[in-house]
Amino acid sequence: DTAVSQTPKYLVTQMGNDKSIKCEQNLGHDTMYWYKQDSKKFLKIMFSYNNKELIINETVPNRFSPKSPDKAHLNLHINSLELGDSAVYFCASSQSGRPWGETQYFGPGTRLLVL
Amino acid sequence: GENVGLHLPTLSVQEGDNSIINCAYSNSASDYFIWYKQESGKGPQFIIDIRSNMDKRQGQRVTVLLNKTVKHLSLQIAATQPGDSAVYFCAETFKAAGNKLTFGGGTRVLVKP
Repeated sequence: DTAVSQTPKYLVTQMGNDKSIKCEQNLGHDTMYWYKQDSKKFLKIMFSYNNKELIINETVPNRFSPKSPDKAHLNLHINSLELGDSAVYFCASSQSGRPWGETQYFGPGTRLLVL
Repeated sequence: GENVGLHLPTLSVQEGDNSIINCAYSNSASDYFIWYKQESGKGPQFIIDIRSNMDKRQGQRVTVLLNKTVKHLSLQIAATQPGDSAVYFCAETFKAAGNKLTFGGGTRVLVKP
């Protein structure tokens, strides 16, 4: 019954490696997001996709590449991992991505630790 | 355990008392606001939202107040319970932002039995 799910929950890896995080939502929503939460709990949006189309692309290093194979899935691939990438990454979804604001529902997070 | 977020402003409240969490926002164009609750090890959970054409909205045990004049948002929790212990975030967006939420820094609420 999980609405927004992410895998893996924990990811520990070495600097320089490439890793992917997967997200799936079963809410029938059209829009999905990736957020990064740093060690001070600050949450910042990274990307947003509406019906597989990129609509928000914040100032994020191009080592981060989102991919949306269909509107229920949004994956995040990270190349050449750096120490500063250590954070909790949250996926979220909302119904239609209407520009006047709508509730976003968050997944449980993926805790990434780069050594 | 986690030691992150220790710098967060913290509100300590006695069980059964009312809690008020405040949030100042800077963008006068913001017209949609959401309060989220984040428990340890979990994702943010929607509590309540409000649009700029309202100044008050009530949910179950929660009330959000919006003062656009001073760009201030508050969340009131009635009869605070131990399960209310969490970090609370306000988030804002505006029409031209394409539903991009900007989050505040968060407030930790600790409920004392």
